[in-house]
Amino acid sequence: ETGVTQSPTHLIKTRGQQVTLRCSSQSGHNTVSWYQQALGQGPQFIFQYYREEENGRGNFPPRFSGLQFPNYSSELNVNALELDDSALYLCASRWEVLPYGYTFGSGTRLTVV
Amino acid sequence: AQRVTQPEKLLSVFKGAPVELKCNYSYSGSPELFWYVQYSRQRLQLLLRHISRESIKGFTADLNKGETSFHLKKPFAQEEDSAMYYCALSGLKGSGSRLTFGEGTQLTVNP
Repeated sequence: ETGVTQSPTHLIKTRGQQVTLRCSSQSGHNTVSWYQQALGQGPQFIFQYYREEENGRGNFPPRFSGLQFPNYSSELNVNALELDDSALYLCASRWEVLPYGYTFGSGTRLTVV
Repeated sequence: AQRVTQPEKLLSVFKGAPVELKCNYSYSGSPELFWYVQYSRQRLQLLLRHISRESIKGFTADLNKGETSFHLKKPFAQEEDSAMYYCALSGLKGSGSRLTFGEGTQLTVNP
């Protein structure tokens, strides 16, 4: 099952810039979550959207924001990039009903210099 | 608060030996527990979920609510099992359904 695609795969940005990462979920997956995975660490929850509304947020500042669209695509926006934002950003989506397993994309590797 | 602990960052075994990857959790309620695997240069993949009580690639995991553990086991490790393994927890509804991951255990199976 490889129904979640992310773009771009790699990205280099300068500190202070803004970035938009994109995710296309599998049709029917109404819930999408974004995670940040720093090197050598497990994925950390950023936020989650259900039917285009944010319904959960982790310990990330407001400069991390997102959108979910009716066509099962979504975006993660990060403003005022900092060096510590360098990480792999993962998108995951799932069905509403059991089982609750998420399907992950391959991620976007963001490097902030 | 949701928390997942994987006490071993690295685990090395020989081919054919049993392997156990430990996972402990804390959650105020009835969680859903998962094991995810990430092979080299591949995306994170769902390996097991406790609710389905299945065995995938010879791996099993039993939820022990008394010990709040969800250890992953395989009786005979294979070289192709070498990968990063993440234990993850989820609540069942709404915003609680987000995944909380452990730090991961890098399993190396030596020939």
